[in-house]
Amino acid sequence: NAGVTQTPKFQVLKTGQSMTLQCAQDMNHNSMYWYRQDPGMGLRLIYYSASEGTTDKGEVPNGYNVSRLNKREFSLRLESAAPSQTSVYFCASSEARGTDTQYFGPGTRLTVL
Amino acid sequence: GENVEQHPSTLSVQEGDSAVIKCTYSDSASNYFPWYKQELGKRPQLIIDIRSNVGEKKDQRIAVTLNKTAKHFSLHITETQPEDSAVYFCAAKNYGGSQGNLIFGKGTKLSVKP
Repeated sequence: NAGVTQTPKFQVLKTGQSMTLQCAQDMNHNSMYWYRQDPGMGLRLIYYSASEGTTDKGEVPNGYNVSRLNKREFSLRLESAAPSQTSVYFCASSEARGTDTQYFGPGTRLTVL
Repeated sequence: GENVEQHPSTLSVQEGDSAVIKCTYSDSASNYFPWYKQELGKRPQLIIDIRSNVGEKKDQRIAVTLNKTAKHFSLHITETQPEDSAVYFCAAKNYGGSQGNLIFGKGTKLSVKP
């Protein structure tokens, strides 16, 4: 099992460009999450999907959109990137939203110039 | 909503010493408290967790204690080793609440000097 995978590992964008971060899990988990990690700020939830077909906003959703493509895949889209979106993005999954352990992907380091 | 404060932000100990990291939470309905370890350049990984019906939990050299009255919980690492050097995050969740999402502290960078 690969667990949670993310692509790309690194990305540099110019202000105003768009891109989609991809996430997939092979653990048959129902719930998936997108976090951003900034120095000194911990992990902050952007969006989550409690189950296939549903998505909801987290703590910092502005400037992002998500798609739960199927049970395995959950993508994060930046429509018009801004320097404030420079961060490390982690995808995570758990068996269900009400269960405990979240398994994280390796992260995507995004720089917006 | 829930707010989690974590202290200290950095901690340096000598190999073999103990390390303690403390977190406080604001929502008295929170009932699940995990700790994640993140090595440099790696993903966060769960190392131990505790639920609100338990006061203490141990796993080899690490332990977590919970004081529901005071709304704080702590991570204790004994006999620290250089491989314990990492950033540690606490988190809190209202397991059965309408939110049900993890709220993380800002992290503690632990350095263990050989």
